[in-house]
Amino acid sequence: EIVLTQSPGTLSLSPGERATLSCRASQSVTGSYLAWYQQKPGQAPRLLIYAASSRATGIPDRFSGSGSGTDFTLTISRLESEDFAVYYCQQYDRSPTTFGQGTRLEIK
Amino acid sequence: EVQLVESGGGLVKPGGSLRLSCAASGLTFSDAWMSWVRQAPGKGLEWIGLIKTKTDGEATDFAAPVKGRFTISRDDSKNMVYLQMNSLKIEDTAVYYCTRDSPMDVWGKGTTVTVSS
Repeated sequence: EIVLTQSPGTLSLSPGERATLSCRASQSVTGSYLAWYQQKPGQAPRLLIYAASSRATGIPDRFSGSGSGTDFTLTISRLESEDFAVYYCQQYDRSPTTFGQGTRLEIK
Repeated sequence: EVQLVESGGGLVKPGGSLRLSCAASGLTFSDAWMSWVRQAPGKGLEWIGLIKTKTDGEATDFAAPVKGRFTISRDDSKNMVYLQMNSLKIEDTAVYYCTRDSPMDVWGKGTTVTVSS
C-alpha cells in the first residue's frame, strides 16, 4: 500500500502568516489522485483540495495545493483564526486508499 | 442540501456484532461509491471499506484489519448504506464516518462505536 508521510507533525504559526504543509508518498501517485482534508475538534473532516490542486466547492482561494508524483504541498497563503486545525492528505490512486498521519496547525 | 447521517453506534462487547447505517439525501445516491472511514480516539483517519454502484456490480473492498469481519451493503431504493461489523475487537473502537467516494467530498457527522468488556 502507498504510505503517506506528512510533515511537520505540528506547525505553530500566527494569523496572517503563510503555512506550508508537506505530504510525501512512498510510491508515485499517478493521475495526481491526492486530496487534502481539514478537521476541527469534534467535527468530521472537510475536503479542501482534490486532484492535487483543485479546490473543493466553497473553499477559499487562500488554500492551494500543488505537487505530483511523490511530493505534494498544501499552502494556506494568509492564516485566519478558523484555519487552525488538523490537516490530512489522502491518496485515492490505488487501493487501499490511505491517509497521512496528519499535521496539526496551531496558533503560535 | 447534501447530507449523510450515520446511526447505530454504541457499546458492544469484544466478539460482538453491530450494524451501522448511513442515510443519504440531496445527492444521486445510486451513482455514488460510498466508503466508511473510522477514527480511533486521538488518532488519524483510517479507511475501512467501500461499496461501488450497482452499475459497478456493488463490488466491495476492505482494508486488511477488517477484511473477513466487516461487510458493506447498500439499498438504493432507500438511499442507505450499511456497515455490518462482526467479531468486534477492542481496537475497532472509533468514530465511524460514512463518506461519498472518491474523493471524499461529503461526510456524515459520525457515529461512535465502543468495544469494551
